[in-house]
Amino acid sequence: QQQVKQSPQSLIVQKGGISIINCAYENTAFDYFPWYQQFPGKGPALLIAIRPDVSEKKEGRFTISFNKSAKQFSLHIMDSQPGDSATYFCAAAYSGGGADGLTFGKGTHLIIQP
Amino acid sequence: GAGVSQSPRYKVAKRGQDVALRCDPISGHVSLFWYQQALGQGPEFLTYFQNEAQLDKSGLPSDRFFAERPEGSVSTLKIQRTQQEDSAVYLCASSLGGGGEQYFGPGTRLTVT
Repeated sequence: QQQVKQSPQSLIVQKGGISIINCAYENTAFDYFPWYQQFPGKGPALLIAIRPDVSEKKEGRFTISFNKSAKQFSLHIMDSQPGDSATYFCAAAYSGGGADGLTFGKGTHLIIQP
Repeated sequence: GAGVSQSPRYKVAKRGQDVALRCDPISGHVSLFWYQQALGQGPEFLTYFQNEAQLDKSGLPSDRFFAERPEGSVSTLKIQRTQQEDSAVYLCASSLGGGGEQYFGPGTRLTVT
C-alpha cells in the first residue's frame, strides 16, 4: 500500500510559469511533510518542509500548500527557471514515535523549457 | 565536514559477494538513516540510528542486510551474498535529532552483476 501518492509523474512547464506538484497521504499520524529536489547522480536536497499546524509556507519561489482535512499537500514553484529542471519528491514522516524515517512519493520529473 | 559523505560512490559486485558501504554524517548529528533508491523511484527507508542505537530496522529487505554505527558517528551498511535485486543507490541521511530535517549524502550506486 503506497502511503504517499505523488502526481504528476512528469511535468513540462515553460520558463516563467508556475510548476505545481501534488501529493496525498493516508496515514493521519504523519506530522512532517518535506519536499526534496534531486539532480541526476546527486542525493536529494531538502527544499522546504511544513507541519500540519499551518496551511501554507513560502520560501522564495517555493510554496507548500497543506490541506489537513483532505490529506493533501502541494509544491508550487513560481517563475520556474531551467535550473529548476530536476526530480522532485514529496515525503512524510511521523516524528512522535522515535523513528523518523521518511516515506517518499515516487517522484515528479520536472522539465522547464526555455 | 560540511555535509554527509558516502563511500564508495560506485561499487560493482559479482552476485554472491559481500559489500560494505560507509556513511559519514554531519558532525554532531544524532540521527542517521539509510535508504534504498531503485532506478526511477523514490527512496525507501531501510533503518534508523539514534547515536549508536539502532532503533528501527523494519525496512531492511532481508537478513542479508546489516547496519551498524558502533561509536555513534560513522555508519556502515553491509550486504551479504549480494543479489541482482540489490542493485540500487544507497542513500544515507543525518539529522540533529528526532523529527529534525534530514540531510542526504550523494549515495553509493551498487551494481550487482
